[in-house]
Amino acid sequence: DTEVTQTPKHLVMGMTNKKSLKCEQHMGHRAMYWYKQKAKKPPELMFVYSYEKLSINESVPSRFSPECPNSSLLNLHLHALQPEDSALYLCASSQEPNTNTEAFFGQGTRLTVV
Amino acid sequence: GDSVTQMEGPVTLSEEAFLTINCTYTATGYPSLFWYVQYPGEGLQLLLKATKADDKGSNKGFEATYRKETTSFHLEKGSVQVSDSAVYFCALRNSGGYQKVTFGTGTKLQVIP
Repeated sequence: DTEVTQTPKHLVMGMTNKKSLKCEQHMGHRAMYWYKQKAKKPPELMFVYSYEKLSINESVPSRFSPECPNSSLLNLHLHALQPEDSALYLCASSQEPNTNTEAFFGQGTRLTVV
Repeated sequence: GDSVTQMEGPVTLSEEAFLTINCTYTATGYPSLFWYVQYPGEGLQLLLKATKADDKGSNKGFEATYRKETTSFHLEKGSVQVSDSAVYFCALRNSGGYQKVTFGTGTKLQVIP
């Protein structure tokens, strides 16, 4: 099983809303990631969690707040977003941090901010 | 820092044509190399990988060989199908402290019947 599951698949939210994106993997991977992908662009790294601890924040605005409750789950809490934050948000996981093993991606959450 | 350069698209081919998508990289150390595919409206799927020089990754008729001397990892397929229409990303991941996957800009492939 090489599956990373993301919910919801689609999300529309207003600029004053609070919402959360969820990601789950059961491969025993100890590194988990959030990426943001705009149309016709490659994914851009937002956050990296290693062994449930935040290890990399790529200068992401504080209106995005990640959380890793346990080794299988990764959340992205959203608050006071802007229309330009509309994008595909991808979760990924890999076996170990600090290695060059492959990352497995979820199907993404298509976020629209209105 | 690490970087990946891949050919501009879109690439339009007729069904059963031969496909090559060029990819070159710049990296220190000994990265692993990957091709990911993204179908419309979906996430990224790992298509194939190679972890060291001269390794050949293959999957679903696609192949790519890790060429350290030319720092290349070109994607090839002998006979494309309409169902292969997607965006293809070349990527690398280095060992060591920084854990991110570095992506190329993506190449859109359109296969027409």
